[in-house]
Amino acid sequence: DGGITQSPKYLFRKEGQNVTLSCEQNLNHDAMYWYRQDPGQGLRLIYYSQIVNDFQKGDIAEGYSVSREKKESFPLTVTSAQKNPTAFYLCASSIGSPTPEENTQYFGPGTRLTVL
Amino acid sequence: KQEVTQIPAALSVPEGENLVLNCSFTDSAIYNLQWFRQDPGKGLTSLLLIQSSQREQTSGRLNASLDKSSGRSTLYIAASQPGDSATYLCAVRPRSARQLTFGSGTQLTVLP
Repeated sequence: DGGITQSPKYLFRKEGQNVTLSCEQNLNHDAMYWYRQDPGQGLRLIYYSQIVNDFQKGDIAEGYSVSREKKESFPLTVTSAQKNPTAFYLCASSIGSPTPEENTQYFGPGTRLTVL
Repeated sequence: KQEVTQIPAALSVPEGENLVLNCSFTDSAIYNLQWFRQDPGKGLTSLLLIQSSQREQTSGRLNASLDKSSGRSTLYIAASQPGDSATYLCAVRPRSARQLTFGSGTQLTVLP
């Protein structure tokens, strides 16, 4: 089955620790995205990558880091510098921007991170 | 900067009613607008995508319209069912950016 997988589903972190959230896709999509969702709010973009070995900051990149060493994988690290990391994290992918009018994003099931 | 607003934040209707969800955006320079569904604790599922040159899209009981000049979109759900209960999010793809801008969603409850 083609799709996007995120792991783990639930993650608990102590203050001061770095944690890494996994995102894998087998859709052969070029672009991948990380969003953060807080209760009662829409999704906010953390980082995105249009191609392997390249990524760009989104609206709320501070305290986060990413890598894109493989087309299929786009892990997100939540560092200790992120002051309020408790949230629901969603990964998405899309074909890319050759035809932006038609381009839709496909989402993974999400990871809920809780800081203890 | 593009802003997307969804009103109301929550809506409860009895089963069988037809209903309309609203989405407004501030900048009409967009490539497309999408409606997503999100069940509690889950990811997003794309329902409909309307390209900037289109006025509406239909899928089953769902119909989405787009009026770029007024910065508005509506999602019409016909003959609502309890299984339609979820949060519905709209998002626009601005021409000035590569990423989507999301509204905060409308939480729909369809009562049996």
